[in-house]
Amino acid sequence: EIVLTQSPGALYLSPGESATLYCRASQTINDIYFAWYQKKPGQTPRLLIYGVSWRAPGTPDRFSGSGSGTDFTLTISRLEPEDFAVYYCQEYSVALTFGGGTKVEMK
Amino acid sequence: HVQLVESGGGLVKPGGSLRLSCEVSGFTFSDYYMAWVRQAPGKGLEWVSYLSDSGTYIRYADSVRGRFTISRDNGKNSLYLQMNSLRLEDTAIYYCARKYSALDYWGQGVPVTVSS
Repeated sequence: EIVLTQSPGALYLSPGESATLYCRASQTINDIYFAWYQKKPGQTPRLLIYGVSWRAPGTPDRFSGSGSGTDFTLTISRLEPEDFAVYYCQEYSVALTFGGGTKVEMK
Repeated sequence: HVQLVESGGGLVKPGGSLRLSCEVSGFTFSDYYMAWVRQAPGKGLEWVSYLSDSGTYIRYADSVRGRFTISRDNGKNSLYLQMNSLRLEDTAIYYCARKYSALDYWGQGVPVTVSS
């Protein structure tokens, strides 16, 4: 089973700044089976990005995904107050493995 | 309007059993793979199991294989998770989710607490 390692564990940023989150896989992932989710306390997880770079319906265009092979990135440009949350990467080729998460906190 | 509503959670002793249900509406249930994902207190998201639209293809995470059984009833628009031999570490919020490529719609979650 593929292991996903997210970095950093936490980011401390201010509204208006940009955030770059990383996810590294233990083996090559087929591009079409990679996603990013947002999770806020007490709320249901929300799909942001699928297929590496496709925004899910309702995902603002300040969120963008990129990468290939074993290295993937989620970029949030111009952080809004509602973007402070935990972000998880996921591969869904055979299993539905999640990374450990990156917490984006307000500085 | 897509809705997924979980039920069946609660407090159970170690070694006990629970059956979770997820009733869906707003889409053709029989056309989609479905999944269960959990989040333990203070921990990240962990996939539990998923199954195909017909229920014939099933996968389990190593942590639950042999103890949990996923199933569905397309006539009742419902997904199930039978959880046996529960352990303290199974304590979590359990979410059902629709699998269309990634997990695009999620229920609100149901808490399961395993404690003596």
